[in-house]
Amino acid sequence: QSVLTQPPSASGTPGQRVTISCSGSSSNIGTNSVFWYQQLPGAAPKLLIYNNNQRPSGVPERFSGSKSGTSASLANSGLRSDDEADYYCAAWDDSLRAYVFGTGTKVTVL
Amino acid sequence: QVQLVESGGGVVQPGRSLRLSCAASGFTFSSFSMHWVRQAPGKGLEWVAVLSYDGSVKYYADSVRGRFTISRENSNSTLYLQMNTLRVEDAAVYYCARGYCSGGNCNLIDHWGQGTLVTVSS
Repeated sequence: QSVLTQPPSASGTPGQRVTISCSGSSSNIGTNSVFWYQQLPGAAPKLLIYNNNQRPSGVPERFSGSKSGTSASLANSGLRSDDEADYYCAAWDDSLRAYVFGTGTKVTVL
Repeated sequence: QVQLVESGGGVVQPGRSLRLSCAASGFTFSSFSMHWVRQAPGKGLEWVAVLSYDGSVKYYADSVRGRFTISRENSNSTLYLQMNTLRVEDAAVYYCARGYCSGGNCNLIDHWGQGTLVTVSS
């Protein structure tokens, strides 16, 4: 059972802005950094955002992350067809002593 | 570049055991914590366990504690997951992942392997 809650789906047309939310609690997002992962169909997850809002080398600038209180968001400012994937947020939970993942959001490009 | 290659997956009957391995390269394995994460078919990601860089600290998900054991051999850059008393609900792709440190917490994840499939069926 996932500790972090995400909407099951999100969609948009090419070029549109899409935002995914991630809701947690004081023991995870409220205290620790949020990470986001992208999982393309049939592939392993890949790090997209670390430390709430940092992009690893090679991740397009259209992806950005933010955090406020016990919630976080991932934004894609210009949706592309190859952004169709599942997206997961994650954070360390101090109470559970576990790395907890969000429920996942499937992004569809219309 | 960082490479993580899992092996050891396969078909196993409920109640039996299986050991997964993860061969790491492209970084100083002995300096990083390491994780196992699994994904049941058509489902989301589920964290399984993490082991500190020196093997001294380990944490487990409630769903596997007491049945699974995470371990490592820094001398040959390999991570293991010993899975005992397997259940049907343990069937999943198992990913090995490298730990990342931030703000003193090294139990985060940056790089992932490609995964190995475990099927539990009679």
